[in-house]
Amino acid sequence: AQKITQTQPGMFVQEKEAVTLDCTYDTSDPSYGLFWYKQPSSGEMIFLIYQGSYDQQNATEGRYSLNFQKARKSANLVISASQLGDSAMYFCAMREIGATGGFKTIFGAGTRLFVKA
Amino acid sequence: ETGVTQTPRHLVMGMTNKKSLKCEQHLGHNAMYWYKQSAKKPLELMFVYSLEERVENNSVPSRFSPECPNSSHLFLHLHTLQPEDSALYLCASSPSRDRGRDEKLFFGSGTQLSVL
Repeated sequence: AQKITQTQPGMFVQEKEAVTLDCTYDTSDPSYGLFWYKQPSSGEMIFLIYQGSYDQQNATEGRYSLNFQKARKSANLVISASQLGDSAMYFCAMREIGATGGFKTIFGAGTRLFVKA
Repeated sequence: ETGVTQTPRHLVMGMTNKKSLKCEQHLGHNAMYWYKQSAKKPLELMFVYSLEERVENNSVPSRFSPECPNSSHLFLHLHTLQPEDSALYLCASSPSRDRGRDEKLFFGSGTQLSVL
């Protein structure tokens, strides 16, 4: 079973508008971290934002904010004031203790965002 | 200069060839990772190295052979691959595998592999 689910294969947003990318996760570990990464066409994955499972407030980084709803196990990314350069693949990820000990980061299938001029 | 460098950027190989992917990180990190990114699938964690020791192998076929000669370099040796192995192979590093849940990964740009 998938541990990170991103249900939107593709999303369109008008430039300067806000967009929400969905992410749900599944874990039995009480301590975990949630991440969003951006992958432009160049291929490199770029870290955007982090939310810890014990953090009381939603994380924000500039135009990015994370809508963390722990009881629902969701960690949606909100991008405000979209820009053309935001067009990319976006991956939700979770870091938790692996079966062999030590932390491992697992990823969802990604959402491709298209920003329209 | 980017923190994590992968070469080559593109690779085309036949099923009988032997090739190697190279990853180098200039960040002083102790953990390095290989991920496979296939179309429309989540990134798959292949191998994890911590302080040059392989600590995780996620049921990867033996035709993929990793090597970590030191904490700055990571290789993925390929031999007798199959067409379904065609994918983007991403290398990543982090300060430590064991330090905490808040550690982000630093990625290279990947090697786009095509197996004919």
